[in-house]
Amino acid sequence: QSVLTQPPSASGTPGQRVTISCSGSSSNIGHDFVYWYQLLPGTAPRLLVYRNNQRPSGVPDRFSGSKSGTSASLTISGLRSEDEADYYCAAWDDSLYVVFGGGTKLTVL
Amino acid sequence: EVQLVQSGAEVKKPGESLKISCKGSGYKFTNYWIVWVRQMPGKGLEWMGIIYPGDSDTRYSPSFQGQVTISADKSISTAYLQWSSLKASDTAMYYCARLDGPMATRPPIDYWGQGTLVTVSS
Repeated sequence: QSVLTQPPSASGTPGQRVTISCSGSSSNIGHDFVYWYQLLPGTAPRLLVYRNNQRPSGVPDRFSGSKSGTSASLTISGLRSEDEADYYCAAWDDSLYVVFGGGTKLTVL
Repeated sequence: EVQLVQSGAEVKKPGESLKISCKGSGYKFTNYWIVWVRQMPGKGLEWMGIIYPGDSDTRYSPSFQGQVTISADKSISTAYLQWSSLKASDTAMYYCARLDGPMATRPPIDYWGQGTLVTVSS
């Protein structure tokens, strides 16, 4: 059972907007930044969003993050087939290590 | 370009020992924490522990304390994760990754290795 809660799956058609949620608590998301990662089979996980809503260079602006209280979300606009992947949220916890969500498998129909 | 390159997939029997590696390049290896993350089949990511290669300061998640050993050889920019006696439940993908800053600042994990699949089966 993961510390952060994500829906196990999400889907959309090309061009659509999809939002993935992430729920935590006051000991993690509630008072620290949220990060989002993309995992594609056979490749290294990729940082998509840091500090709730910042994108590293090279990450398309189709990916955006937000946070409110103890929850966060990742929104992918203009969905593309190459966005089909697993997405994980993460945050530092009061226990002094990073906790993760259980992951959301995004299917592009 | 920052890269973390992990050793290849392993197939082991219960009770055997194993050491997997993670070689960093493209940055000053001694200045950044390396974290190990487990992903069991069909499950989410779990923080196992972390090491600062500069002085080998190592911390473990309570769930993994005593179950694995994390080490580093700064002379070859490589971090390691090892088991002395594997169990079937150790079957998982293991990732190394880099913390982008001092732990006290709670930085993001910015770069990841490609993962090492460990399969433990009799």
